[in-house]
Amino acid sequence: QTVVTQEPSLTVSPGGTVTLTCASSTGAVTSGYHPNWFQQKPGQAPRALIYSTSNKHSWTPARFSGSLLGGKAALTLSGVQPEDEAEYYCLLYYGGAWVFGGGTKLTVL
Amino acid sequence: QITLKESGPTLVKPTQTLTLTCTFSGFSLSTSGVGVGWIRQPPGKALEWLALIYWDDDKRYSPSLKTRLSITKDTSKNQVVLTMTNMDPVDTATYYCAHTRVASGSPPVAFDIWGQGTMVTVSS
Repeated sequence: QTVVTQEPSLTVSPGGTVTLTCASSTGAVTSGYHPNWFQQKPGQAPRALIYSTSNKHSWTPARFSGSLLGGKAALTLSGVQPEDEAEYYCLLYYGGAWVFGGGTKLTVL
Repeated sequence: QITLKESGPTLVKPTQTLTLTCTFSGFSLSTSGVGVGWIRQPPGKALEWLALIYWDDDKRYSPSLKTRLSITKDTSKNQVVLTMTNMDPVDTATYYCAHTRVASGSPPVAFDIWGQGTMVTVSS
């Protein structure tokens, strides 16, 4: 059973920078895992932010960026806005199957 | 503009089979590289990927649920159907369908557009 692990919760001040990470129980996350990142606010469907490590969708705000960091996938928010308070999920590809992480609840305080 | 909408029963009894339909517009499942997936989310819990079907009828399932799931497409109706057998109260969740695209020479784009979700409760 493959497990994808994220920080359960993080807190950031408005205007600050925060990095969320996504680790795989199988070892280091590489570009071959095609990391995706999603944002979900209460009562809403998830919204895609990043695909295949660092590619942004046309609607993704510039302050969101994806990368690989220390064997993990990472999502960095620079210049955090109050509206960025949400749950964030990563998604990794395992040769035909996809696995979501447990989510990170980001609080902007 | 791509849209997807899930439909199906809101309540099923334990041991019954759940059938959900995803009706979409703005794309065709006969177009090379296109896929539709299903994801669920129990109340207050994380997302869980369930299944994915591609334009060429390639089907992928979550290993942990593979024996209970079946995904099919009806290209003429712009629909994808997910069936899940032997439902249990732990399967109570919001079920989402989402658009996916893969292209030769380009990175895959997983679940870029989502439906609003449909809540399914499993209870006797």
